[in-house]
Amino acid sequence: EDKVVQSPLSLVVHEGDTVTLNCSYEVTNFRSLLWYKQEKKAPTFLFMLTSSGIEKKSGRLSSILDKKELFSILNITATQTGDSAVYLCAVLSGGSYIPTFGRGTSLIVHP
Amino acid sequence: GAVVSQHPSRVICKSGTSVKIECRSLDFQATTMFWYRQFPKQSLMLMATSNEGSKATYEQGVEKDKFLINHASLTLSTLTVTSAHPEDSSFYICSAKPLYGTSGTDTQYFGPGTRLTVL
Repeated sequence: EDKVVQSPLSLVVHEGDTVTLNCSYEVTNFRSLLWYKQEKKAPTFLFMLTSSGIEKKSGRLSSILDKKELFSILNITATQTGDSAVYLCAVLSGGSYIPTFGRGTSLIVHP
Repeated sequence: GAVVSQHPSRVICKSGTSVKIECRSLDFQATTMFWYRQFPKQSLMLMATSNEGSKATYEQGVEKDKFLINHASLTLSTLTVTSAHPEDSSFYICSAKPLYGTSGTDTQYFGPGTRLTVL
């Protein structure tokens, strides 16, 4: 059974801090890993990673995948209160389009 | 681009009534849409996979007669919660996988969700 584990489950920081969120996975025939941000409503897409070592970047957010060690990290630099959300990691494997989601990391950024 | 809408965003109904939720991909075509349920502070739970023009595939434990799914076109899927009960109260989210896309066909785009409350 495919497994996706995110850590930490929750994190509280102050504005300006840098955070690193982790996502490790155990799947058969890995295909891609996706990061989503979920605020009060549904998740919004952040990144899709398929290749090891290639950093994806969007503003203060960046993510990288290590297919040898089976994990990905999501970095947020100079955090702002608007970064407060649950960050979800999902993995696709084999020929399926049904992702396996992790439980998410709840990030709270205090002013 | 890649916008998915859901309607209604919030619905309150009496026990025993049926509720229909629409999921539309506004600027792309989606042969596959997914329906999720999310309880407070929990991750998304896949209920079913909806393919245009064919029957939906339900996950184990999800009653297909209770949660009717219709995927009538490449841009519209509907979920009908039949004879709703208070335990069906939840946040229902759909997602759509683009037929073509710059982010690759693995990317799913989520609708804003529908908060269902059954009294």
